[in-house]
Amino acid sequence: GAGVSQSPRYKVAKRGQDVALRCDPISGHVSLFWYQQALGQGPEFLTYFQNEAQLDKSGLPSDRFFAERPEGSVSTLKIQRTQQEDSAVYLCASSLAGSQRFEQYFGPGTRLTVT
Amino acid sequence: AQTVTQSQPEMSVQEAETVTLSCTYDTSESDYYLFWYKQPPSRQMILVIRQEAYKQQNATENRFSVNFQKAAKSFSLKISDSQLGDAAMYFCAYRSVRTGTASKLTFGTGTRLQVTL
Repeated sequence: GAGVSQSPRYKVAKRGQDVALRCDPISGHVSLFWYQQALGQGPEFLTYFQNEAQLDKSGLPSDRFFAERPEGSVSTLKIQRTQQEDSAVYLCASSLAGSQRFEQYFGPGTRLTVT
Repeated sequence: AQTVTQSQPEMSVQEAETVTLSCTYDTSESDYYLFWYKQPPSRQMILVIRQEAYKQQNATENRFSVNFQKAAKSFSLKISDSQLGDAAMYFCAYRSVRTGTASKLTFGTGTRLQVTL
C-alpha cells in the first residue's frame, strides 16, 4: 500500500547544472502529474502523462524542462542548465485513471535549491 | 482560464473552536470539481474534501464541511472542533471536467492555519 514516492527529497544544484527528479506513482495508476510549488505559493501544473503518453506539457516554463515516463510507471522530470528561479518544490501526483473524477494522490515533493 | 483566490494568508483558531477559510474562483464552465487540500509542514498534500459543482448539497467529512455558493463562485471550508493536528497550509483547488482537459488542478495561494491552545 505504498503511496507516491519522490527522490531525492532535497537537491541543491549550482546554477547551470542539470538535475533529474524521480517520481514513483502508486502501482496501477494510469495518470501522472507534475506540479511546481514556489515558496509561499500554491502548486502550479507543469505536465501530465496518461500511461507513457505526455498529453499536456503546457505548464512547462521553458524548453529547459523535460519530462518522461517511458514505461508508463516511473517518471523523471529533468531540468537543464538550472537557474535560480527554478528553486521550488516539485510535486508529483498520480491518479487511477484519466477521468476527472479520480482523486490525485501527491508525493512528498523534491525541494530544489539552485545556488 | 480558471483562477482560484484565497484572500486569507493566515488564520488562527483556538483548539475546539470553529474556523472558516475562504475561497473564491473564476470560471466560465458550469460543471467542475472543487477541492480543499491540507499540506502540513514538510509533509505531503492530502485531500480534505471535494465538491462536485452539479451537486447542490454541501459536502461534509467528519469535522470538515464546505459552503458552496455556485452563483457567487465561493467555496469556503469550515473546520469544527479544531485540533492541534489541523495546523497546516490549506489550499483550495479547481478542476475542470471538460473532455480533453488534463484533469489538472488549479490551486489558490493557500491559507496557513494556526491552532492555539
